Amino acid sequence: GESVGLHLPTLSVQEGDNSIINCAYSNSASDYFIWYKQESGKGPQFIIDIRSNMDKRQGQRVTVLLNKTVKHLSLQIAATQPGDSAVYFCAERGSGNTPLVFGKGTRLSVIA
Amino acid sequence: SQTIHQWPATLVQPVGSPLSLECTVEGTSNPNLYWYRQAAGRGLQLLFYSVGIGQISSEVPQNLSASRPQDRQFILSSKKLLLSDSGFYLCAWNPGTPYGYTFGSGTRLTVV
Repeated sequence: GESVGLHLPTLSVQEGDNSIINCAYSNSASDYFIWYKQESGKGPQFIIDIRSNMDKRQGQRVTVLLNKTVKHLSLQIAATQPGDSAVYFCAERGSGNTPLVFGKGTRLSVIA
Repeated sequence: SQTIHQWPATLVQPVGSPLSLECTVEGTSNPNLYWYRQAAGRGLQLLFYSVGIGQISSEVPQNLSASRPQDRQFILSSKKLLLSDSGFYLCAWNPGTPYGYTFGSGTRLTVV
């Protein structure tokens, strides 16, 4: 079963605003976390990852925050654009070479 | 560079017919390979994964099977499709821990 869940199934954001997508996980032994973006009819695309020895990692317009104390992961998108409209999945991996476990996804809709 | 190919893109099959979906990876050797299924508007469910030729791990009891006849080839099969087998099937690969997955473009299967 899935051990990673999301607080909000849908999120609507005005173009230019910042977006925050949240994710809770239950496996305290998970050591690696990833965010994926999936556009309609396509496979998920890697956005950013973070290891459990970090609490923040930044990419281009995206930041991932990891709070291991409360087992919470978030994806922040700066200056959200229409092209950011998609479903976003968080995923975690337990220790070792175990497969990724994906959350249910959050649909981000950008309002022009 | 590494690429992943998945085909066909869409498939409509009658109930009770067989299924064969193929996934190949180029530009790497000994990849970990994965099959996921995604129901409409839902998350990703891991079906099978393989860490080497002939090594298949099944995550969910079902009407499907997987095989890895060659290092970079992963096949998803069924002898008799059910209506509940409809969905979006995704193949993915990674070079091992602790790397994320690269997904193929997916196969939309409709069982009628």
